[in-house]
Amino acid sequence: AQSVTQLGSHVSVSEGALVLLRCNYSSSVPPYLFWYVQYPNQGLQLLLKYTSAATLVKGINGFEAEFKKSETSFHLTKPSAHMSDAAEYFCAVNYQLIWGAGTKLIIKP
Amino acid sequence: NAGVTQTPKFRVLKTGQSMTLLCAQDMNHEYMYWYRQDPGMGLRLIHYSVGEGTTAKGEVPDGYNVSRLKKQNFLLGLESAAPSQTSVYFCASAQHPYEQYFGPGTRLTVT
Repeated sequence: AQSVTQLGSHVSVSEGALVLLRCNYSSSVPPYLFWYVQYPNQGLQLLLKYTSAATLVKGINGFEAEFKKSETSFHLTKPSAHMSDAAEYFCAVNYQLIWGAGTKLIIKP
Repeated sequence: NAGVTQTPKFRVLKTGQSMTLLCAQDMNHEYMYWYRQDPGMGLRLIHYSVGEGTTAKGEVPDGYNVSRLKKQNFLLGLESAAPSQTSVYFCASAQHPYEQYFGPGTRLTVT
């Protein structure tokens, strides 16, 4: 069975601080992994994807994620948070996109 | 180039009523998807299509039907709405199955 677990429904960081959003997955096949971002009252937008090439994946807006097979993780990071990063972030696995429950990122001024 | 559009944006239904949600894409994508989004549950796939004339069930298909008569359109039908179908519905399209483009969503309330 495939599943995605995002640790923390809400994560709060100060502007300029490191952003770390956690995603762990379960997959019976070599996984494809994705992070999407949803700004308030909008649809979702692809942030980055891992498709079995480089394990460190760079995405838009300065975000990156590292695929760690031994830890079954695909955590999302950004070195320095900006107010415009406030949104909900979703991790998903494989073609039919099994989704995590989402993590709302709050940026404190 | 409008991308993915959804009609309507908002709708209130009474229990037992029917309605159809329309999704249209102008990117000539093969794949189209319908999701529902509920608080704390992420997105759940209702139905999807891998090409014109094809449809398949997703994770939560019960109570919904779909049709893809034209490549650019994917319709989601509710034959007899129930309060449990109160949700935000998102349509998405993709040329590659893992790079989806989402519409703005339809907020449906069933009373």
